[in-house]
Amino acid sequence: DTAVSQTPKYLVTQMGNDKSIKCEQNLGHDTMYWYKQDSKKFLKIMFSYNNKELIINETVPNRFSPKSPDKAHLNLHINSLELGDSAVYFCASSPNQVTGGYTFGSGTRLTVV
Amino acid sequence: SQQGEEDPQALSIQEGENATMNCSYKTSINNLQWYRQNSGRGLVHLILIRSNEREKHSGRLRVTLDTSKKSSSLLITASRAADTASYFCATDEGGSYIPTFGRGTSLIVHP
Repeated sequence: DTAVSQTPKYLVTQMGNDKSIKCEQNLGHDTMYWYKQDSKKFLKIMFSYNNKELIINETVPNRFSPKSPDKAHLNLHINSLELGDSAVYFCASSPNQVTGGYTFGSGTRLTVV
Repeated sequence: SQQGEEDPQALSIQEGENATMNCSYKTSINNLQWYRQNSGRGLVHLILIRSNEREKHSGRLRVTLDTSKKSSSLLITASRAADTASYFCATDEGGSYIPTFGRGTSLIVHP
């Protein structure tokens, strides 16, 4: 029943590993986002996709690669994980690029050791 | 770049009191949104106010927008312990429709 679901909820991994976070929304929204929230609660947008097309790619290392197989899914793959990647990653969706009122997932807490 | 800045960073009140949080931004916007985040959870959308609106209400929430001062306020009336959370404003920089969040106001309501 969850509107925006992301898995896993927690992810602990070693430096240098590759990991993926999955996100799915069942709201019929066209636009999906990935945000990173640091330890000081600062939320920064990373990527945005509209109908499977990349529309925003903020200054994010190339090690981060989003993939949208369809408009209901936006997955995030991270290569060669670094300590600084530790954060909470939130997936969100909105009806379209213009309409506000984002629905967020519950977050994935990534810890790189 | 960070657009919205919430003030104060932390607010501690007693149940039944009103809580007011402010958000200031730098460039023109299409809309401004307020979100709540409970500890360890995702953000929940509270209210969206468009640049041509001055005030909106939703239950115990009241949001005002002053585009001349580039600021907004969120008022929670008759606060409850369950209102304890972080509150974020999000604005779209220069009409980009991309929401940029501030660092939030941490509200604690003591029962």
